[in-house]
Amino acid sequence: DAGITQSPRHKVTETGTPVTLRCHQTENHRYMYWYRQDPGHGLRLIHYSYGVKDTDKGEVSDGYSVSRSKTEDFLLTLESATSSQTSVYFCASGDRGSDEKLFFGSGTQLSVL
Amino acid sequence: SQQGEEDPQALSIQEGENATMNCSYKTSINNLQWYRQNSGRGLVHLILIRSNEREKHSGRLRVTLDTSKKSSSLLITASRAADTASYFCATAPNFGNEKLTFGTGTRLTIIP
Repeated sequence: DAGITQSPRHKVTETGTPVTLRCHQTENHRYMYWYRQDPGHGLRLIHYSYGVKDTDKGEVSDGYSVSRSKTEDFLLTLESATSSQTSVYFCASGDRGSDEKLFFGSGTQLSVL
Repeated sequence: SQQGEEDPQALSIQEGENATMNCSYKTSINNLQWYRQNSGRGLVHLILIRSNEREKHSGRLRVTLDTSKKSSSLLITASRAADTASYFCATAPNFGNEKLTFGTGTRLTIIP
């Protein structure tokens, strides 16, 4: 987990409210990723970034947006949270994308009521 | 849909025994990676094997890759209580696609 910080660690929110999760890395990695983890589904990719202002969608991107204005920060926004977005969210970063190992944060437990 | 599927979903063994987990995937890959996740924590990278490699070792870990069968196995020898965790395989598609895709994981319990 060293070098990657997610905030908040826990959040409870209501349906329909916007939510922003933050990922901060101090490793100067080019690539950053957002995954969600749900029982029976493993980790599923939401969005990833391959540089400042460069992002692409993953397999479960509907309802999520991301922004990367600085190398070290990658934000995940739920524009209008739904109960189906209750999950544990993990951020990861790496130097060479999928060609090399990723480093993960400790996760954010999000509950949408 | 998941690219990788681990088998078994759960495994319990006595401390000192060897643990074997398998991963099957669907499309061609550039590399395959194994990660460990302790309860309530993030994932930690264990080992990476490239598509042109058949076997790789790291300490008590041994990974094999059979691209013709689209499968990989992770062997942990002489298991310890600290090896209790979930283990995930992740596949990297051919070069140029940065979407690392994870399987559903194997929950390993080491009984002291």
